[in-house]
Amino acid sequence: TQLLEQSPQFLSIQEGENLTVYCNSSSVFSSLQWYRQEPGEGPVLLVTVVTGGEVKKLKRLTFQFGDARKDSSLHITAAQPGDTGLYLCAGDWGAQKLVFGQGTRLTINP
Amino acid sequence: DVKVTQSSRYLVKRTGEKVFLECVQDMDHENMFWYRQDPGLGLRLIYFSYDVKMKEKGDIPEGYSVSREKKERFSLILESASTNQTSMYLCASSLLAGGATDTQYFGPGTRLTVL
Repeated sequence: TQLLEQSPQFLSIQEGENLTVYCNSSSVFSSLQWYRQEPGEGPVLLVTVVTGGEVKKLKRLTFQFGDARKDSSLHITAAQPGDTGLYLCAGDWGAQKLVFGQGTRLTINP
Repeated sequence: DVKVTQSSRYLVKRTGEKVFLECVQDMDHENMFWYRQDPGLGLRLIYFSYDVKMKEKGDIPEGYSVSREKKERFSLILESASTNQTSMYLCASSLLAGGATDTQYFGPGTRLTVL
């Protein structure tokens, strides 16, 4: 079974601070996705990264795929209370299905 | 707008009962998935289906079965519910058969408690 390790599992910071969440594996992915889940809802896709070294930006969120396609990071600049949620990375090893990390629960305090 | 609906948001059942969780998508997607979500474990795939009447086991299929008689509907069945099946169950669908980089669209989840 392929494994994805996310860190940290919990993060609580003040509004305006920056943060980075990590997603790591010992295996190579063909692609990696980041989802955000809010209470009472299902996860919603934020981004898909496919190429090693790829960087994608979504407003204040920056996603990076490692050169070797074994890891990824999510960086949030000037965090806002609306960024609060559970962030999940999900990797595809080309097996028609995704494997999810355990998630990072992010709380942004006003 | 893309929509995945699940039959119940909350469900309480007793040990040994047969439980049906229903999921419907209105996007004409080929792929449908059932996950369970537990704190600290993320989402774990139970079963998925890439076509009507087709199903594949995921990572944790034991104690579950599925049914897909129509393209838009994917049912998860707990033949004899047990307390360790208390969890949040999430259904998802995606468009392209075999395209694992496709977006998965999730329903809001069913929180099942087995007493």
